Amino acid sequence: EAQVTQNPRYLITVTGKKLTVTCSQNMNHEYMSWYRQDPGLGLRQIYYSMNVEVTDKGDVPEGYKVSRKEKRNFPLILESPSPNQTSLYFCASSFADGYEQFFGPGTRLTVL
Amino acid sequence: AQSVSQHNHHVILSEAASLELGCNYSYGGTVNLFWYVQYPGQHLQLLLKYFSGDPLVKGIKGFEAEFIKSKFSFNLRKPSVQWSDTAEYFCAVTGNAGNMLTFGGGTRLMVKP
Repeated sequence: EAQVTQNPRYLITVTGKKLTVTCSQNMNHEYMSWYRQDPGLGLRQIYYSMNVEVTDKGDVPEGYKVSRKEKRNFPLILESPSPNQTSLYFCASSFADGYEQFFGPGTRLTVL
Repeated sequence: AQSVSQHNHHVILSEAASLELGCNYSYGGTVNLFWYVQYPGQHLQLLLKYFSGDPLVKGIKGFEAEFIKSKFSFNLRKPSVQWSDTAEYFCAVTGNAGNMLTFGGGTRLMVKP
C-alpha cells in the first residue's frame, strides 16, 4: 500500500530535550516536505527536499533541522525544542514539486 | 511570495444545503491549485486539483471547484452537503517553477444532521 508513515504519532517532551520525528514514504517520490498545523494558521511549510541531499527552508524553518540521506526518509529534528513548537506536524511526499502531495498521519508534539 | 486566503473560517450548514468555500491566491505566474480535506482525527486527503485545461474541476465525493484566473480564485462547491462532509478544508497553491506548496488558513465546516 502506497503511504507516508510518521513516528511517533504522539510525543510529549520537555524544553531542550532533542527529538527526531521520522518520516518514510514507499512511493519512490523525489519531493518531501514537513509542515506544522496550528489553529487558524493552516499548514505552514517548515522544510522541503527536492531530492536526496537537497533540502531547503520553507516558511517557518527556525528551530528545526532536516536531512535527506535516502530517498524514502526525511526526518525532522528539533535540537532544542521549545513550547512554541507544540503543534501537529505532517510529513508529505510527491512525485515532484508542484504535484499532488500525499500526507502522513501526523505527529502531535507537546513541549512542556 | 505567494499567499492563499480562505475567507470563511467556520461554516455551519444543515444537511442538503449548498456549499461554497472561497479561496483567493496571490501569485504572478502559472499556478497549480488544490483543495485538501481533513476529517476529524485524520490526515489531509486530496479532494481535487487544477493544473490546466477546463477551469471547472470535479473531485471526489461530489465536490467541484472553479478556477477563475481573472479573480485569482478557486472556490470549492458542493450542491448538497452531508453530515459526513464535516471536516476542515484547505485550499493550496503552488507555482509551476519549483515553488513550495502554500496553504490557506483552512475552513472548518460543520454539517448539522
